Amino acid sequence: GQQLNQSPQSMFIQEGEDVSMNCTSSSIFNTWLWYKQDPGEGPVLLIALYKAGELTSNGRLTAQFGITRKDSFLNISASIPSDVGIYFCAGRQGGSEKLVFGKGTKLTVNP
Amino acid sequence: GAVVSQHPSWVICKSGTSVKIECRSLDFQATTMFWYRQFPKQSLMLMATSNEGSKATYEQGVEKDKFLINHASLTLSTLTVTSAHPEDSSFYICSARDRRRSTDTQYFGPGTRLTVL
Repeated sequence: GQQLNQSPQSMFIQEGEDVSMNCTSSSIFNTWLWYKQDPGEGPVLLIALYKAGELTSNGRLTAQFGITRKDSFLNISASIPSDVGIYFCAGRQGGSEKLVFGKGTKLTVNP
Repeated sequence: GAVVSQHPSWVICKSGTSVKIECRSLDFQATTMFWYRQFPKQSLMLMATSNEGSKATYEQGVEKDKFLINHASLTLSTLTVTSAHPEDSSFYICSARDRRRSTDTQYFGPGTRLTVL
């Protein structure tokens, strides 16, 4: 099925560094969601975006809904070891209940 | 946020047996719940959409007679893997759609690890 283009696939960074990841699509989405998944756990919602151009923060995390409605990015500032995990973007198109997911970005933070 | 629970968190069963997984929205009513399957190091794959009081809608390639879904109340959906085989071993995750207020998002359960021997 349809899938979002999420990049990068993986990142290896030092503690304290900032991180940026993004998702793109050839289709328009009305909602963008960012989740974090730890091993053996379900995804946890980090940030939800509902309007084009919307910029929303959650602590050290900031996400934006692209003005073209075809992309979104997630930034993590001053990374810490507990930021380790897999980050997924997800989008919902108008008239659909289903979410379309990216393949995930695996983040490794070296202390 | 909202809380979604799953039970059991893990289960081991013999080939040929059936396994039931429960998904509950604890602090909100969910008219729509979703069941996903996730293979190691992969993204989530939607199996079916479960609507309260009606039949589930299955994604292409998902056997509805093998993966029985029941959404009997606004807070509970169940997935039953019938006549399980080793290839059904996977991580199954449910989510519930929260349409309260002006937001509309999905919250996920913690997942159920199924191992079929």
